[in-house]
Amino acid sequence: DAGVTQSPTHLIKTRGQHVTLRCSPISGHKSVSWYQQVLGQGPQFIFQYYEKEERGRGNFPDRFSARQFPNYSSELNVNALLLGDSALYLCASSNSGSLEQYFGPGTRLTVT
Amino acid sequence: RKEVEQDPGPFNVPEGATVAFNCTYSNSASQSFFWYRQDCRKEPKLLMSVYSSGNEDGRFTAQLNRASQYISLLIRDSKLSDSATYLCVVNGRGGNQFYFGTGTSLTVIP
Repeated sequence: DAGVTQSPTHLIKTRGQHVTLRCSPISGHKSVSWYQQVLGQGPQFIFQYYEKEERGRGNFPDRFSARQFPNYSSELNVNALLLGDSALYLCASSNSGSLEQYFGPGTRLTVT
Repeated sequence: RKEVEQDPGPFNVPEGATVAFNCTYSNSASQSFFWYRQDCRKEPKLLMSVYSSGNEDGRFTAQLNRASQYISLLIRDSKLSDSATYLCVVNGRGGNQFYFGTGTSLTVIP
């Protein structure tokens, strides 16, 4: 079975631009979470979605938004990019009734 | 105060050694705890969940101490392939937020 997939793998954007990152969970998983990981730090929680509804939100500005689709895939949107948004963005999925999360390979975003 | 605190290391140990990592958490209401392993420039991979009674998987043992609010990971008979960063994870309020430590770097030396 395929694991969590994310696209694109790498992305280079300019300050002020907007970016959309995509994630497909493991088949059968209904929960998707997004994390930001900067070099030398652990992943920081951004959002969790379950059954298309936001169930958790981390301490990130309103420039960050997300949504989940009927097929449980998800998008993370970041507006008005800042240099500090450069990071690895990770998506994780989990099965109903379980808190064990399985991560995708991530999207490496560079803002110049 | 950070939700999760972890000694970043690095830990450099010889093959065959036993090494232990601790991780403290601040929210006494936390219910779920995990250890993840992350290789350089890769995604975190679930190593094991941490249960109240402690759990063991081969050379790996995880323990939870609720009174002192810490979790630990013990690796016995270290292998070169154990070299990685080990991340502890604790769930936050409502159970829908997860807090990662900064990770502890382990290098196993031949």
